[in-house]
Amino acid sequence: EAGVAQSPRYKIIEKRQSVAFWCNPISGHATLYWYQQILGQGPKLLIQFQNNGVVDDSQLPKDRFSAERLKGVDSTLKIQPAKLEDSAVYLCASSSQRAGTEAFFGQGTRLTVV
Amino acid sequence: GQQVMQIPQYQHVQEGEDFTTYCNSSTTLSNIQWYKQRPGGHPVFLIQLVKSGEVKKQKRLTFQFGEAKKNSSLHITATQTTDVGTYFCAGGGGFKTIFGAGTRLFVKA
Repeated sequence: EAGVAQSPRYKIIEKRQSVAFWCNPISGHATLYWYQQILGQGPKLLIQFQNNGVVDDSQLPKDRFSAERLKGVDSTLKIQPAKLEDSAVYLCASSSQRAGTEAFFGQGTRLTVV
Repeated sequence: GQQVMQIPQYQHVQEGEDFTTYCNSSTTLSNIQWYKQRPGGHPVFLIQLVKSGEVKKQKRLTFQFGEAKKNSSLHITATQTTDVGTYFCAGGGGFKTIFGAGTRLFVKA
């Protein structure tokens, strides 16, 4: 079974630039999560999708972050404009059911904002 | 809002010593999950506990869920160098799963 695919693996941008991350979850997984993991901290949920609907985006900085999951499969997370404090690893995860079941994580995208 | 706290933040052990990390939630949880993240890697699911007072074992790892379903622990017996990494608990409540900050385990050979 293929795992969660994310791209790119690494990205370096200047502050105020925009960036987009892509995630393809495990086939058939209805729930997709985007997490932000700052160095030395635990993953922080940014947004959770159930199919193509948003279940929770309470911690998504909506003035600069946006995410979509068209057709309920793959997803993109965008930051515009980026700030220095956005430097982190952005992890995508998927699970077969609602939150509370095993989540499978992708390798993540390491973003550095300079 | 719901918070999940983990202690300790770091733990250094000699190979062969035991290790325990504790997880506490500010609210009653539906379930608790444990993940391991190797340095430079991504979190990998270890186990999920659902029942009050539940205890599960995976080889040298023992997981407990408190009677009140607000705390949990992970105990590793006789640590090995392959156990190094950060162990996260993730508390599930409603449709949300909140991760703790993790306990980073260092094992000295």
